[in-house]
Amino acid sequence: TQLLEQSPQFLSIQEGENLTVYCNSSSVFSSLQWYRQEPGEGPVLLVTVVTGGEVKKLKRLTFQFGDARKDSSLHITAAQPGDTGLYLCAGERITQGGSEKLVFGKGMKLTVNP
Amino acid sequence: KAGVTQTPRYLIKTRGQQVTLSCSPISGHRSVSWYQQTPGQGLQFLFEYFSETQRNKGNFPGRFSGRQFSNSRSEMNVSTLELGDSALYLCASSPWDRGDEQFFGPGTRLTVL
Repeated sequence: TQLLEQSPQFLSIQEGENLTVYCNSSSVFSSLQWYRQEPGEGPVLLVTVVTGGEVKKLKRLTFQFGDARKDSSLHITAAQPGDTGLYLCAGERITQGGSEKLVFGKGMKLTVNP
Repeated sequence: KAGVTQTPRYLIKTRGQQVTLSCSPISGHRSVSWYQQTPGQGLQFLFEYFSETQRNKGNFPGRFSGRQFSNSRSEMNVSTLELGDSALYLCASSPWDRGDEQFFGPGTRLTVL
């Protein structure tokens, strides 16, 4: 069972379109991160959200953390070919031993066609 | 600041062999985590080291092991390789006070034949 479910898993759109990708869980996370990964490279951190209901904007990207800290969304406005990549959400859980552990969703593969 | 570096970038091994991968974290970062990434399973956490001690471990068999040195550099070892171990192995480092923000290296692509 995947702890973090991302949807959709694949998306192919035209330049200029808007899109939203979702990251859902039944578990509560102390923080949630979004990463973007391009082929042949490691994921790059885009944003961290910590507070329930928090909204962060990064140029054309808007990130929201659910009120209950169980889900998050990423909205991209006017997508560009440079936005193409694998978008991963990751949540930090407190383990039984008291330490933090980061779990990842499987990702959403985005292709933006010119 | 230089980013996380991993060596080698590509590796081809045969079943039954063992392999050692190396990771140098960002200067000043004391936490190093390892992940396995495959198309089917996505990113799976292997283990995390902090100040030379394993702080967290994922659900992988004992064939997967790691260690961290006093300069925070880390190695992971996979013994008795299986075909299913073919994957991209990613190393990530974190500042000591923000373990949730991971800075990833480019990965080592391991192919087991």
